[in-house]
Amino acid sequence: QSALTQPPSASGSPGQSVTISCTGTSSDVGGYNFVSWYQQHPGKAPKLMIYGVGNRPSGVSDRFSGSKSGNTASLTVSGLQAEDEADYYCSSFSGSDNWVFGGGTKLTVL
Amino acid sequence: EVQLVESGGGLVQPGGSLRLSCEASGFTFKSYWMTWVRQAPGKGPEWVANIKQDGSEKNYVDSVRGRFSISRDNAKTSLYLQMNSLRAEDTAVYYCGRLGNWAFDNWGQGTLVTVSS
Repeated sequence: QSALTQPPSASGSPGQSVTISCTGTSSDVGGYNFVSWYQQHPGKAPKLMIYGVGNRPSGVSDRFSGSKSGNTASLTVSGLQAEDEADYYCSSFSGSDNWVFGGGTKLTVL
Repeated sequence: EVQLVESGGGLVQPGGSLRLSCEASGFTFKSYWMTWVRQAPGKGPEWVANIKQDGSEKNYVDSVRGRFSISRDNAKTSLYLQMNSLRAEDTAVYYCGRLGNWAFDNWGQGTLVTVSS
């Protein structure tokens, strides 16, 4: 049950696109299409942004998109806005009804 | 609107016990797997445990297995986490969560558990 690997930080200017990676193994990210992404603002609970690798819940902006290739999943935020500045976490099902999270990426809007 | 409200956190000495509760509303509680996720200060979330709709199946992260117990009362639309033999490394904000579409699709506001002498 090792944590998924994310870069500690990412940044971009308003209007630009940023991609955050999430690397696991064939036992989690690579083995299932159950990767999800969460946004967390300081002092708040995480909020689901992407589920099932690339699906957006109702109400989430279409500026957020997800994908996966092999053992690495990615979250892309396009048309960066100031409100997108937050911590982002990936998560994956890892078999036997267990789940694993990434260590998080702090996204800064310059 | 889905609402999850945790309670029961606080300061406890190492080796002590605590019981967390989560009251759910705004959805058919008995139809969903439910989960507890914790987040230590400055760290990423960590999945702790989950429980099947009827309570017949429970799963735990290795670090809490044998010390923590998850349960639910569908009549009261409530989720619980009994935590025994608490350690300093259990210090975290504990979130109650709903599992939907193979993701944690709704979270409570969290309750802080501090294990310290």
